[in-house]
Amino acid sequence: KAGVTQTPRYLIKTRGQQVTLSCSPISGHRSVSWYQQTPGQGLQFLFEYFSETQRNKGNFPGRFSGRQFSNSRSEMNVSTLELGDSALYLCASSGQSYNEQFFGPGTRLTVL
Amino acid sequence: KNEVEQSPQNLTAQEGEFITINCSYSVGISALHWLQQHPGGGIVSLFMLSSGKKKHGRLIATINIQEKHSSLHITASHPRDSAVYICAVNRGADGLTFGKGTHLIIQP
Repeated sequence: KAGVTQTPRYLIKTRGQQVTLSCSPISGHRSVSWYQQTPGQGLQFLFEYFSETQRNKGNFPGRFSGRQFSNSRSEMNVSTLELGDSALYLCASSGQSYNEQFFGPGTRLTVL
Repeated sequence: KNEVEQSPQNLTAQEGEFITINCSYSVGISALHWLQQHPGGGIVSLFMLSSGKKKHGRLIATINIQEKHSSLHITASHPRDSAVYICAVNRGADGLTFGKGTHLIIQP
């Protein structure tokens, strides 16, 4: 089976812009979770989608949003970028919510 | 106080040594995950457990639900085991909560 893929792998944006990141889960997986990793805060849960529905959301502002399509592919969007949004954004897929998580390689976002 | 505490934060050992990384948590959980992250960012799930003990190759994970504690052991450690090991707990509706990670270096 192909693994979890994320695009793009690297992204540079400026403050105030918006960005959309994409995640394609392992075939057959219906749960996709998104995480933010920074040197200061470590890994933090953003949200989880299951069968096109957001089931859980972490403690992040409304500028962070996401969606999941019928083929389980997921996107996350960050609007009005801030310098503090610079991070590695990881997605992970699993067959059921929070079962064994299969992580993608991540998208490294730099906000200038 | 973080809900998930790992110790030690940093660990340097010689090849062949037995390694133990500890994880304590303060909330009710349905499962605990051990993850491995290599330089460059890739994360691999090592174990997911809700009770008892699991073994995979040279890696062993245990959990004591009553004491809210889990350990990850590496037997016959090798330089390729050098990585960050992260403990995460599944709290259901609140998603996964992560520890800060243990930076492990195995010297030849």
